[in-house]
Parts: sequence; C-alpha cells; structure tokens
Amino acid sequence: AQSVTQPDIHITVSEGASLELRCNYSYGATPYLFWYVQSPGQGLQLLLKYFSGDTLVQGIKGFEAEFKRSQSSFNLRKPSVHWSDAAEYFCAVANTQGGKLIFGQGTELSVKP
Amino acid sequence: DTGVSQDPRHKITKRGQNVTFRCDPISEHNRLYWYRQTLGQGPEFLTYFQNEAQLEKSRLLSDRFSAERPKGSFSTLEIQRTEQGDSAMYLCASRPKLRAENTEAFFGQGTRLTVV
Repeated sequence: AQSVTQPDIHITVSEGASLELRCNYSYGATPYLFWYVQSPGQGLQLLLKYFSGDTLVQGIKGFEAEFKRSQSSFNLRKPSVHWSDAAEYFCAVANTQGGKLIFGQGTELSVKP
Repeated sequence: DTGVSQDPRHKITKRGQNVTFRCDPISEHNRLYWYRQTLGQGPEFLTYFQNEAQLEKSRLLSDRFSAERPKGSFSTLEIQRTEQGDSAMYLCASRPKLRAENTEAFFGQGTRLTVV
C-alpha cells in the first residue's frame, strides 16, 4: 500500500538558517510527489511537484526538493528561512489511477527570531 | 474564477444532527475530491468524482456519509447523525481534465466541523 512518512513532527529553525524537511514514500510505480504548505485554519497551497525529469525541482517561495529514487525520498529544502515560512508542511504522493493524494502526517515548522 | 470555494467555513452542530457542506470547484475542472483532516494529521482521502460520477470511496466514508456532484459542477458532502468523532476539517480539491495525471490538485480553504 502507498504511504508517506514525515519523520519530524515539529522542527524549529532560526530565521535565516537553512531548512530541510524529510519525506519518505512507499509506492510501487514511479511516484508523483508533492509538497504542500498549510497555514493555521487554511487550506493547502502547493509548493512544488515532481512528475518526471530533473530530480531537483524548484517551487514557490524559494523552496526546492530533490527526488531520490534509491532512498525513496523527496526532501524539501530552503537555503534561508523567513519568519513567514512558519506553517505546517505536508508531503504527498499521488495515486496515478485516480489522482487522489496520500499525505504524510505533516511537519510543523516554527521560526525563531 | 478565483479558486475552489467551500461553504460554510465553520459549522458547529449538536451530536445527532445532519450537516451538509458545499464545494464549488474551479471552472472546467472535471475531477473533484473530498478529504478529511483531523487535528495534527495530514488530510485523508474520502471520495472523488469525475464529472458527476463518483469513482472511488474510501472505507473511511461510513454509511452516514454521502457525497453528490449533480451535473458535474458543485459537490455536496452530507453527514447524517453526526458524532463527535466527525469533528474535523473537510477539504475539497479539484483538478483539470487536460493531462490529468500531470497536474496538481487545487484545494479550498476547508469547512471546519465541530460536533458538540
């Protein structure tokens, strides 16, 4: 069965520091992978996606992610975090037959001044 | 058209009452999805429509839940005889038909249900 694991429930980083959020997936075929961000009480906003091609994908707000098939990982990175990046981040894999998303548990990011 | 719209944004209901939520997808998006998100968890898939046809339902969708998408436009999600465990954020998302496997889902802001 498909699954997504985000090992870190909560991460705190200092403003200006680099960030890496981990995501591991379990999926038999070539996965379609996504990172979404959710601010409190809000819906989900897509940061970036991977379908095929270059394994390093660029997203909005200065985020990037790298797909590593050998490690079944799709980690999200940002070189310099801003206070406005504090939010919940979700990694997801798509079921290609129906397009439904399987989400990880999420990682809550706090940014300290 | 500014995005996926959900109504209401918040709903407080007494246990045992029925509630209905509405989702208006982005125009010409033929796929529509419902997800449920409880506190501290990622969204969980409930069901999805392609046009007016309901193509898949999760086992999370008990007999008290029903979803419709008449005419392939807006969708409604009804919960009958609500229970406290139904308290959650209900999210709707839509995807376009064109190259459907190569596009992302756009989410609404959700309906927060509290059952007291």
